[in-house]
Amino acid sequence: DVKVTQSSRYLVKRTGEKVFLECVQDMDHENMFWYRQDPGLGLRLIYFSYDVKMKEKGDIPEGYSVSREKKERFSLILESASTNQTSMYLCASRPRWTEQYFGPGTRLTVT
Amino acid sequence: QQQVKQSPQSLIVQKGGISIINCAYENTAFDYFPWYQQFPGKGPALLIAIRPDVSEKKEGRFTISFNKSAKQFSLHIMDSQPGDSATYFCAASNYGGATNKLIFGTGTLLAVQP
Repeated sequence: DVKVTQSSRYLVKRTGEKVFLECVQDMDHENMFWYRQDPGLGLRLIYFSYDVKMKEKGDIPEGYSVSREKKERFSLILESASTNQTSMYLCASRPRWTEQYFGPGTRLTVT
Repeated sequence: QQQVKQSPQSLIVQKGGISIINCAYENTAFDYFPWYQQFPGKGPALLIAIRPDVSEKKEGRFTISFNKSAKQFSLHIMDSQPGDSATYFCAASNYGGATNKLIFGTGTLLAVQP
């Protein structure tokens, strides 16, 4: 069974804090993705990575950065959290040619 | 050109009825069209997918209909059950691209009433 795990299910942070969201996959997938999910807006791609140390901006990268030092781990970083970054964050991974697998999500609240 | 438009935003269906969710795309390079199902508190999971070489794909009660000329595809849930209540996302991508990414619709919240 493919497993994509995210470090926290729920997270509450204060405005201005640096926030790290971690994602780990156990299936040696090349591609990894970070999305945010907001009501009425669907899944919006923040960043993705198709190889170790490689990253590409998605549709809404502003205010975020990522790190992929090992193939199985993809981190999303909020350099200075703001209230408009309160959202559900979903990590996903995919082998080069087949279906995409999602983690359970991290619900982040920034106060 | 990269958008996938999904409708309706929400849907209420009686148990045993047919649920229909529609999606439309613009990019003719798209050649992989999956549907994802998401239950509350969970990440989305692949439900069924279609490539454009066929006009229909059926898996149990779930059917994708694909109209290449109209650039539209839809999900039909036959004999809808309360356990089908979830959010459904359509998506599209260029399957052959090594770094292809899925473009998602905005989601449909389905409620099946007992």
